[in-house]
Amino acid sequence: AQSVTQPDIHITVSEGASLELRCNYSYGATPYLFWYVQSPGQGLQLLLKYFSGDTLVQGIKGFEAEFKRSQSSFNLRKPSVHWSDAAEYFCAVGTGNQFYFGTGTSLTVIP
Amino acid sequence: EAGVTQFPSHSVIEKGQTVTLRCDPISGHDNLYWYRRVMGKEIKFLLHFVKESKQDESGMPNNRFLAERTGGTYSTLKVQPAELEDSGVYFCASSQVLRHEQYFGPGTRLTVT
Repeated sequence: AQSVTQPDIHITVSEGASLELRCNYSYGATPYLFWYVQSPGQGLQLLLKYFSGDTLVQGIKGFEAEFKRSQSSFNLRKPSVHWSDAAEYFCAVGTGNQFYFGTGTSLTVIP
Repeated sequence: EAGVTQFPSHSVIEKGQTVTLRCDPISGHDNLYWYRRVMGKEIKFLLHFVKESKQDESGMPNNRFLAERTGGTYSTLKVQPAELEDSGVYFCASSQVLRHEQYFGPGTRLTVT
């Protein structure tokens, strides 16, 4: 069965520090992988996606993610976090019909 | 281009009452999805429309939930009668045919007291 695990419920980082949010998935076929971000009062915004090809994908707002098939992972990274990155981040696996989401990681950025 | 919109943004109702949530997808998107997030849990799929037809409603919790998409444009999700465990955030998403990325609305926060 398809599933997504985000092991970190909450992460706190200092502004300017690097960030890595973990995501592991379980899916029988080649996955379509996504990272979404939800800021307070906003909808889910697509940060980046992986369908095929280069395993390192670039997204908006300076985020990137690396697909590692051997580890069934799709971790999200950012080299230098800004205060405006404080939000909740969701990893998702897309099938042809629906998405399977992780439980989300809440990011707090301290000055 | 307008994004996915949902109405209302918040709804507080008593157990046993009826609530109807509305979703307006991005214009031209034939695929429309409903998801729900119960507090602290993952966002879970409820159902998928292609135009006005239900493609997959395997995620609908029970027959108290009724989704419609008349005319293949906006969709409604009715909960009747509402129970306490129905509380959560209901998200709507839409996508173009044969495209895998889904665009999400801001969600409707439903509180059943």
